[in-house]
Amino acid sequence: SYELTQPPSVSVSPGQTARITCSGDALPKKYAYWYQQKSGQAPVLVIYEDSKRPSGIPERFSGSSSGTMATLTISGAQVEDEADYYCYSTDSSGVFGGGTKLTVL
Amino acid sequence: EVQLVQSGAEVKKPGESLKISCKGSGYSFTSYWIGWVRQMPGKGLEWMGIIYPGDSDTRYSPSFQGQVTISADKSISTAYLQWSSLKASDTAMYYCARPPTSSSWYGVYWGQGTLVTVSS
Repeated sequence: SYELTQPPSVSVSPGQTARITCSGDALPKKYAYWYQQKSGQAPVLVIYEDSKRPSGIPERFSGSSSGTMATLTISGAQVEDEADYYCYSTDSSGVFGGGTKLTVL
Repeated sequence: EVQLVQSGAEVKKPGESLKISCKGSGYSFTSYWIGWVRQMPGKGLEWMGIIYPGDSDTRYSPSFQGQVTISADKSISTAYLQWSSLKASDTAMYYCARPPTSSSWYGVYWGQGTLVTVSS
């Protein structure tokens, strides 16, 4: 079955740029989506269709996709951005990546 | 305002059956897919399956096919996730989610989650 692979963890200092990658064989043909999940809360969509930002999501969140890899970039990461981040895509069914724990300290 | 309200937490024994619900409001329930997502304790999100209440078209992740049943009752704008025989490994938080358009499968609107605990 289709899989999306993410690094387990990424760590940056406040104000630095955080990049979280997601690799999958179908990504050249399928959109990537990104979710932020803080402890004890439901996921929140932060990027859709590779690079679009929903209303209300800060401009420091951006997305890109090239070949089999999608990337979520947080420019000038803030302490409040510390969370788990999941990529998501679809093939014949939906699939989430394993998640990346972003630490900002 | 679009809202998805899920049923409350459940504590069950192995082998018991269970049906949890997700009630949609603030939109045309029959016009949007509703998906279910599992999150086991301390683990990541897993896409389980999705249903289109308008015609009950249902798709499952291969990992969950045959393990759960997804259904919907459009007369009361409610989607369901059910198990016929629970296992301890079904202990998890379960979320329902709705996409922004009738043709997409990614969740924008999320329920608050239903915690299912299966323990003898």
